[in-house]
Amino acid sequence: DQQVKQNSPSLSVQEGRISILNCDYTNSMFDYFLWYKKYPAEGPTFLISISSIKDKNEDGRFTVFLNKSAKHLSLHIVPSQPGDSAVYFCAASVRGGSNYKLTFGKGTLLTVNP
Amino acid sequence: DTGVSQNPRHKITKRGQNVTFRCDPISEHNRLYWYRQTLGQGPEFLTYFQNEAQLEKSRLLSDRFSAERPKGSFSTLEIQRTEQGDSAMYLCASSLVLAVYNEQFFGPGTRLTVL
Repeated sequence: DQQVKQNSPSLSVQEGRISILNCDYTNSMFDYFLWYKKYPAEGPTFLISISSIKDKNEDGRFTVFLNKSAKHLSLHIVPSQPGDSAVYFCAASVRGGSNYKLTFGKGTLLTVNP
Repeated sequence: DTGVSQNPRHKITKRGQNVTFRCDPISEHNRLYWYRQTLGQGPEFLTYFQNEAQLEKSRLLSDRFSAERPKGSFSTLEIQRTEQGDSAMYLCASSLVLAVYNEQFFGPGTRLTVL
């Protein structure tokens, strides 16, 4: 049972336009949501995060939106740059308890064309 | 470089052999995690340490797998009697206990190929 779902395996956008990456989750216990970027042959790099008590968090060109009632979050990248081309993973975590593991989606490959 | 490091970066072994991977976390991080990633999937949690204590193990971690974190510093992940299904990228991550959103910082991974 996949608790974090990224239904788009790939996305292609033009340089300078907006990239929107989507993520859905099923576990209502998730408190924190994170986005990671991964280049080939490297480990995932932390990008931005949001708490379940917020609906938006912004960091430079990256904004994450959370719709808790729909169990949906999205990552907006504006403007998109060729260097943003990578696999983007959505991840979620439950606060507290004995386990702080991250549960990841399968990822979305973003290609930004010059 | 003060990031998470992992060694070796690549390991090719024959089925039935034992392999050991090492992870050096960011020095002040007291939480350390192991994940496994296969093609087309996101990282999947294997196990987690807080300091030297192993606090959680996934059901993915069969009894052929063992992890240690002596003295709460570096960690090792050993796979005994490797199987072809163990071929994957093994990722290590670390974090602070006080991390606000449980941000975890990953190493470059060790790619294991079992022939």
